[in-house]
Order: sequence, then C-alpha cells, then structure tokens
Amino acid sequence: GQQLNQSPQSMFIQEGEDVSMNCTSSSIFNTWLWYKQEPGEGPVLLIALYKAGELTSNGRLTAQFGITRKDSFLNISASIPSDVGIYFCAGGSTLGRLYFGRGTQLTVWP
Amino acid sequence: DTAVSQTPKYLVTQMGNDKSIKCEQNLGHDTMYWYKQDSKKFLKIMFSYNNKELIINETVPNRFSPKSPDKAHLNLHINSLELGDSAVYFCASSQGPGNYYGYTFGSGTRLTVV
Repeated sequence: GQQLNQSPQSMFIQEGEDVSMNCTSSSIFNTWLWYKQEPGEGPVLLIALYKAGELTSNGRLTAQFGITRKDSFLNISASIPSDVGIYFCAGGSTLGRLYFGRGTQLTVWP
Repeated sequence: DTAVSQTPKYLVTQMGNDKSIKCEQNLGHDTMYWYKQDSKKFLKIMFSYNNKELIINETVPNRFSPKSPDKAHLNLHINSLELGDSAVYFCASSQGPGNYYGYTFGSGTRLTVV
C-alpha cells in the first residue's frame, strides 16, 4: 500500500497557540482529507481538498492541498482544550480507498 | 440519528471462534467500507462494496468475509479468530467509489481475541 508520512507524531501545546501538521507522500493523490479521532470514536471528517493548490477553511481549521499533489498541511489557530485528539491525514485513491497517515496526537494544556 | 452505526461496540471472544460485526448507514450512500485500526492507531482499508458489489479486496486473510445484503448494510464475518485479529474495526460509507464527499466513519467495534 501507499505510505503517507505524517508529522509531527505528537504535539503538546498551550491553549491559544496555533498548531501546524503536515503529510507527505511518494505518490500523487487526487483528494486529501483530514480527520480527527477522539477516544472510543471513529474518525470525523474535518476538511476535504479536491484540487491541487486548494486552500480550505473550516472555522479555526485551514488545510491546503499541495501543488505537487503529494502533500497537504492542516493548521489550527487559537487552540482550545476540546481540540485534543488524534488528527489523521488521508489520501484518496482509486475506488474510494483512503490511505492514512499515522496520526498526530494533539494535547492542549489550559 | 446515527449516520453509520456498528454493532457490537465491544466484542471479546476466544481464539478459534467465529464472529460477525454489522454495519448500517442511513446516509443513502452507495459505497461502504471496512477498515482495521491496529494498536498503534494505523488505519488500513480491508474491503469495499458499491451497491452490493465487492470492489475492493485488499490483502486480507480469507478468514475475513464481508457481505452486503443491500447497499445500506455491510457485515464482516471472521472465521477461526486469531490473537492478531484484535483491533478496532471501522465501517465507513461514501456517496460513491472515488467520491469522497461526506466520507463518514462509524464509531468502531473493538475486537479482543483471548
């Protein structure tokens, strides 16, 4: 399967700080998705990107689809305690396959 | 109203047993998926059905057999369970194969094989 490199693996930040995480791949994807997973729950879709160069926001979240189609980043501004969770990038491939990064565990201190 | 619902939420069973996990979606989607999340939280696709037809069958032991009685339901049957099958299994659905709009996951079934 295709490998996605997601970094950082974990982040410990103070409430109010901005957060940035990214994902790179050796393969081209036509779609990049960002998900958040909380304990005991499934991944919840945050942002979907469909075009190279696309920059999309969802509240305090902003994500970009890299021009090369091999990378994407997610920024969270002014973090709050409820932002805690694991954030996954996923590249969309043929027939609806999603290839996932290994996740970024975010901890926010009040 | 839960969009993608899985049962059971937890399943503890002995090695060698056969078990099933059920999934239902009420989103009107045509495509459903099974993913496996290991102990390190890595998510990997296993199967996909589009309108009751199997379209993705990744390298998964043939002890795992999916079944889709209709496009709103996708079940996963596992024969002769092994310790290494312990994981969280997620069902997901999307509007169609290659259509990522509203790609939604269920809340998972934690399978523990003892």
